[in-house]
Amino acid sequence: AQSVTQLDSQVPVFEEAPVELRCNYSSSVSVYLFWYVQYPNQGLQLLLKYLSGSTLVKGINGFEAEFNKSQTSFHLRKPSVHISDTAEYFCAVSDNSGGSNYKLTFGKGTLLTVNP
Amino acid sequence: NAGVTQTPKFRILKIGQSMTLQCTQDMNHNYMYWYRQDPGMGLKLIYYSVGAGITDKGEVPNGYNVSRSTTEDFPLRLELAAPSQTSVYFCASSRLAANTGELFFGEGSRLTVL
Repeated sequence: AQSVTQLDSQVPVFEEAPVELRCNYSSSVSVYLFWYVQYPNQGLQLLLKYLSGSTLVKGINGFEAEFNKSQTSFHLRKPSVHISDTAEYFCAVSDNSGGSNYKLTFGKGTLLTVNP
Repeated sequence: NAGVTQTPKFRILKIGQSMTLQCTQDMNHNYMYWYRQDPGMGLKLIYYSVGAGITDKGEVPNGYNVSRSTTEDFPLRLELAAPSQTSVYFCASSRLAANTGELFFGEGSRLTVL
């Protein structure tokens, strides 16, 4: 079984400041990792994913994340945020060992609020 | 591009009533999912389907039923609604299995049971 811990439930930042949203996971098998974003009153949409290869993954809207296997982390970063980045961000993990291929385990979410 | 469409967007039910949340997708995806989202709890998988005629339980299936008669539609039925089913429900679809593929989500259906 997998679990995901998003260490901060809320992160307030000022516009143009850098931001890091933290995600740690626990799993007994190899994993794939994802970040999804949910804008107010909308469904989730994929921001980026790590399946294999380079541990630094670039996504949409200038976000990137780094997979760190030894620290079991997949933190999301953006060097300069905009007001429009205000949203809830969800880290998710799945099994890549050939087991449960239907299941994504989501974290509880981090609300990023960008203030002017 | 419609993507994943859910209806209704909002609904208030009385305890014991039943209803169906509708979900349809126009991307010809084989995989479809129903999640519920509770404040501060992330998303929990209720049911999923890998193709027409095939459905299976997720993490929290009790009190719900689904069917998948076509590729496009995946309705979620609530029988005997209870206050614990007050939540926001999201339908999603994907071309590949969820563990590798991108899920496309609808805008959600907010259900209140009083």
